Formats: sequence, structure tokens, C-alpha cells
Amino acid sequence: EVQLVESGGGLVQPGGSLRLSCAASGFTFSSYWMSWVRQAPGKGLEWVANIKQDGSEKYYVDSVKGRFTISRDNAKNSLYLQMNSLRAEDTAVYYCARVQQLGHFDYWGQGTLVTVSS
Amino acid sequence: DIVMTQSPDSLAVSLGERATINCKSSQSVLYSSNNKNYLAWYQQKPGQPPKLLIYWASTRESGVPDRFSGSGSGTDFTLTISSLQAEDVAVYYCQQYYSTSYSFGQGTKLEIK
Repeated sequence: EVQLVESGGGLVQPGGSLRLSCAASGFTFSSYWMSWVRQAPGKGLEWVANIKQDGSEKYYVDSVKGRFTISRDNAKNSLYLQMNSLRAEDTAVYYCARVQQLGHFDYWGQGTLVTVSS
Repeated sequence: DIVMTQSPDSLAVSLGERATINCKSSQSVLYSSNNKNYLAWYQQKPGQPPKLLIYWASTRESGVPDRFSGSGSGTDFTLTISSLQAEDVAVYYCQQYYSTSYSFGQGTKLEIK
């Protein structure tokens, strides 16, 4: 059974940093692109970042470029999102998602809540 | 960047009736080399992560009831629920993956009339 379990969310002050993790199981993690998608409270979905199987390609939504870094450790079956210079508008539930066939998300985690507030 | 626009923002349909949700992309998401539309649909119920319903614009994900169908090509797409069931109450999103910068529509809230 495919499982994606996010962790690392919490309350952080504006300008602070946080590192999210996603533990994957039930599939060959190293064979798939992976993504982070976020959802602000009461709002819609926003794709945040993608990473290729070997980590050689990474893509970001414009609003997080230069502040967020996506990475992975295939030996640990884990995906990460390092978030720096956090802003109030980064407050959201962050989902880890598996990318299937170049673009659609076939499995999602339950999400981890990040709250940026003083 | 490709902007996805859904209509309507909300929709109320009677049980057993048809529900139709539209999605328009700011540029074509049809990849000419393989004739595939890089468009997916998701269903999200309160407190849950999204669930994949349709990909390649019209391919139903395994396990998704056949009352859900997707159609369209290029820039205009439709998700149809042929006979609305109570469990279909949710927010529905379209997503393009034609560009390496993916994007979602703003969502359509589906309720029972």
C-alpha cells in the first residue's frame, strides 16, 4: 500500500525557517518524480515544487523561488522541503504527492500544517 | 504561466441529476507529439487530501465510479457526474501538467440542491 506521511509543520514567526519531511513507503520511491502542494486555510490548491527521480531537476512556483528548496534522499525514501524567509502568506497545509506519468498526482499524504505568525 | 479557470465557482444539483464543471486553460495543454491533453481532475472532501479522478483529460483513475467522466481538448475541458450521489459533495479541481510549472483551477464547490 502506497503511503506518504508528512511531518515537520508547526508555528513559526515571519522570517523564520522550517523543514518539512515526507516519508514514503509501499512503492519504489526512487522511480518517481515527487511534489509538494499547499492549501491555505479555506482556499484552493497551489503546486509548490517538483523534483525528478535523481534530484537533478527541480521546479518551483514563482512565489517561493529563492526561499524554498525541495530535496530527496532515495536511500531513506524521503522527500523534504526547506522553507526559509517564511511569510504569513505561506501559511497552509502542505501535502506531499507522488507524480505519475509526468504530471498528475496519484497519491497524496494527509498534509502538515504550517502557520506563519508572530 | 498557464492559468486555469473553472466555472462555476459553486454548483447545486439534485440527487440523480447531472453535474457539469468546466475548466479553461489560458493556453493549449494538448501536446501534439503524443496527442495527449495534460489535464487532470481531483475531488477533495472536507478534511481530506485531494483524490485523483481523471487524467489525460478523459482517463478515469482505477476505482473511480463510471458516473465520473472527463472530456475536452486544447483549452476547454469538462468534468461530468452523470447521476449525482450524496457522497459526491466535494470541491473539484482541474490541474494542468503541460508546463513544468503546474497549476490548478480555483475549485468548484458541488452541493446537493
